[in-house]
Amino acid sequence: EAQVTQNPRYLITVTGKKLTVTCSQNMNHEYMSWYRQDPGLGLRQIYYSMNVEVTDKGDVPEGYKVSRKEKRNFPLILESPSPNQTSLYFCASSFYGYEQYFGPGTRLTVT
Amino acid sequence: DQQVKQNSPSLSVQEGRISILNCDYTNSMFDYFLWYKKYPAEGPTFLISISSIKDKNEDGRFTVFLNKSAKHLSLHIVPSQPGDSAVYFCAARGTGGATNKLIFGTGTLLAVQP
Repeated sequence: EAQVTQNPRYLITVTGKKLTVTCSQNMNHEYMSWYRQDPGLGLRQIYYSMNVEVTDKGDVPEGYKVSRKEKRNFPLILESPSPNQTSLYFCASSFYGYEQYFGPGTRLTVT
Repeated sequence: DQQVKQNSPSLSVQEGRISILNCDYTNSMFDYFLWYKKYPAEGPTFLISISSIKDKNEDGRFTVFLNKSAKHLSLHIVPSQPGDSAVYFCAARGTGGATNKLIFGTGTLLAVQP
């Protein structure tokens, strides 16, 4: 089954404790992206990657890091999480120029 | 500045009637528009899209209309069904080098009443 998976689905953590949210896709897509969804703001792009070892900032990259060492994986790293990073996070992937497939989301709470 | 706007946070419609969801955008360089549907606890799923060279695209009960001069698009669902109850996001594909970038509206919660 073609899918984008994210782990964990829910995470509660404390300020400053490094965390990683994993994202994996099995469709051989070149393009992968991270979004965050906040009330009244819709989905905003954090980082994206057009292929292995090619990443770039989206609209709200501050406080986040990503890496793309393999085509299928695109982890999101929060080195020092803060409460303003409490949000719902989505990973997405696609062939370049085509519709994006989204993962199920990761709800992160930073206290 | 919100480049893609969905001014109606919610919409309630009777089963069997038409649902019309609206979306406005500000950047005339957007060349591709998409609608995504999102159920609670799930990721958005692609619904329908339209290229800027067209003014209408239809897929079953779903039709998207694009009015480029007004920078406005709308999604029509006919007939509406209770299973259509979800949040609908309008998105525009970005221009320039990052042509896969999607710029989303804030979403409209559609409730279809049985």
